[in-house]
Amino acid sequence: GNSVTQMEGPVTLSEEAFLTINCTYTATGYPSLFWYVQYPGEGLQLLLKATKADDKGSNKGFEATYRKETTSFHLEKGSVQVSDSAVYFCALTPGQGAQKLVFGQGTRLTINP
Amino acid sequence: EAQVTQNPRYLITVTGKKLTVTCSQNMNHEYMSWYRQDPGLGLRQIYYSMNVEVTDKGDVPEGYKVSRKEKRNFPLILESPSPNQTSLYFCASSLQDSGANVLTFGAGSRLTVL
Repeated sequence: GNSVTQMEGPVTLSEEAFLTINCTYTATGYPSLFWYVQYPGEGLQLLLKATKADDKGSNKGFEATYRKETTSFHLEKGSVQVSDSAVYFCALTPGQGAQKLVFGQGTRLTINP
Repeated sequence: EAQVTQNPRYLITVTGKKLTVTCSQNMNHEYMSWYRQDPGLGLRQIYYSMNVEVTDKGDVPEGYKVSRKEKRNFPLILESPSPNQTSLYFCASSLQDSGANVLTFGAGSRLTVL
């Protein structure tokens, strides 16, 4: 089946620290991979995506590389800000034309000044 | 402003009292979907709709109904709510060409069933 596993949270960092949130997946076929972010009191927003192996998605200083050999899509940012505090969800769609996103459990990130 | 609007945002109700959570989008999206978010479980799909009058079950459809009579609206109906339906609900939409990939989410509806 299709599933996504994220590192357990919550994660607390100081401003300007390096961030990694681990994400691994299990999928049949050729999934597309995503990171969504949920700020307090809001719905989820697409942060970045990658649709094939070795693709790198990037946005707002965040990056993630689609690693087929390790079935991973880890989220990284070189220098986090207080405004990055949110819940981050890794997700996949199982293949072309798939009609749902399969989400990980979410990782709550808190950045302290 | 392009958006998905859900109502109500917060609701406390009692077991067995029928309720409807409305969802409306102004982006002319064909695809719409409902998810529930529970701690430690992420988001799970309840129902989705490819277009008007076309709906299908997601992973956790039990206890829910939906309808898609108009392209912009996709209400979620709980005919007889139970406490295990206490959750945070999200409606989302996207263009059909992108399938479920690039979803625009509503702000969420927090439901408590006593």
